[in-house]
Amino acid sequence: EAGVAQSPRYKIIEKRQSVAFWCNPISGHATLYWYQQILGQGPKLLIQFQNNGVVDDSQLPKDRFSAERLKGVDSTLKIQPAKLEDSAVYLCASSAAGGRTDTQYFGPGTRLTVL
Amino acid sequence: AQSVTQPDIHITVSEGASLELRCNYSYGATPYLFWYVQSPGQGLQLLLKYFSGDTLVQGIKGFEAEFKRSQSSFNLRKPSVHWSDAAEYFCAVGKAAGNKLTFGGGTRVLVKP
Repeated sequence: EAGVAQSPRYKIIEKRQSVAFWCNPISGHATLYWYQQILGQGPKLLIQFQNNGVVDDSQLPKDRFSAERLKGVDSTLKIQPAKLEDSAVYLCASSAAGGRTDTQYFGPGTRLTVL
Repeated sequence: AQSVTQPDIHITVSEGASLELRCNYSYGATPYLFWYVQSPGQGLQLLLKYFSGDTLVQGIKGFEAEFKRSQSSFNLRKPSVHWSDAAEYFCAVGKAAGNKLTFGGGTRVLVKP
């Protein structure tokens, strides 16, 4: 079974530029998560989708971050414009249904450096 | 609000020695607890999880964890570490599996030959 795929693996941009990350969850997984992991910290949830609807985006900085999950499969996370403090690893995870016994499976992440 | 504290930022252990990583959580109801491991350049891999029942949970790679409600702790243990166990370990608490996870700051484990 293929795992969670993410691209690109690395991205370097200058501040005020825009950037987008892509995630393909495990086939059949209804729930998709985006986490931000700043160096030296644990991951922090940015947004959670159930199929193509948003379940939780309370920690998403909506003035610059946006995310979508078209057709309930792939997802894209965008930052526009980027700030220095957005330098982090962006992790995508998926789970089967978001239920009680589900496990979240994580992708390898995209490391973003903002100069 | 739920929170997780991992008091040890770094731990160095000799190969073959035992390992214990501490995790303390704060949550009003019965927590769902997880331990994940992250190797350099890799995503997080689930080691084990606790929802209910037996408070001693067995996981992959020879790890186990014990839930102690009275101490609000969920410590991870391994009797004999291997060089491949060098990684960063994260404890997490969730309202329910599949819901929002709150992670601790992580403990980086170094293994000496």
